[in-house]
Amino acid sequence: DVKVTQSSRYLVKRTGEKVFLECVQDMDHENMFWYRQDPGLGLRLIYFSYDVKMKEKGDIPEGYSVSREKKERFSLILESASTNQTSMYLCASSLVPSGELFFGEGSRLTVL
Amino acid sequence: AQSVTQPDIHITVSEGASLELRCNYSYGATPYLFWYVQSPGQGLQLLLKYFSGDTLVQGIKGFEAEFKRSQSSFNLRKPSVHWSDAAEYFCAVTTDSWGKFQFGAGTQVVVTP
Repeated sequence: DVKVTQSSRYLVKRTGEKVFLECVQDMDHENMFWYRQDPGLGLRLIYFSYDVKMKEKGDIPEGYSVSREKKERFSLILESASTNQTSMYLCASSLVPSGELFFGEGSRLTVL
Repeated sequence: AQSVTQPDIHITVSEGASLELRCNYSYGATPYLFWYVQSPGQGLQLLLKYFSGDTLVQGIKGFEAEFKRSQSSFNLRKPSVHWSDAAEYFCAVTTDSWGKFQFGAGTQVVVTP
């Protein structure tokens, strides 16, 4: 069974802290994505990656960075967390760029 | 500007009744269209997708959707809902080869006994 695993389901951080959200997929997918989910706004794309060490900005990249050192792992980094980054973060992967997205269960981040 | 609209934020339906969720898009080219479902505390799961061909597509869990180019719509339907269909449903659209999807705001479905 395909699997996208997000290491932290719930995190509470303080303003200004550096935050790492980790995502691992076991499907050998080339493409990985980070989305942010907020009520009434649906999912918004933060960053995506089509290959190791490759990244592209999505629709809301400000305040975030990403790292993809290995094919199976895609990390989202908040260099200095702010309260407006309190949200649900969803990682996804896909075999082909416009194909089915496989999602992790999400990481709910609260920034105090 | 490209957009995806799910007009209904919240729908309440009785168990056994039919369900229709609306999705409208605004894109220049014919898009690839998807419906995903998110159960409480879970990630999103693909219900069905449309790339080309027959405009009526069948998905998992007894769902179907119809692509209507003239109305720029891709509405999701189920003839008889089950209590387990209570979830949030998202329409997603892409037109580019990079797979940059645009998601609708979601429709929360509540199923009553």
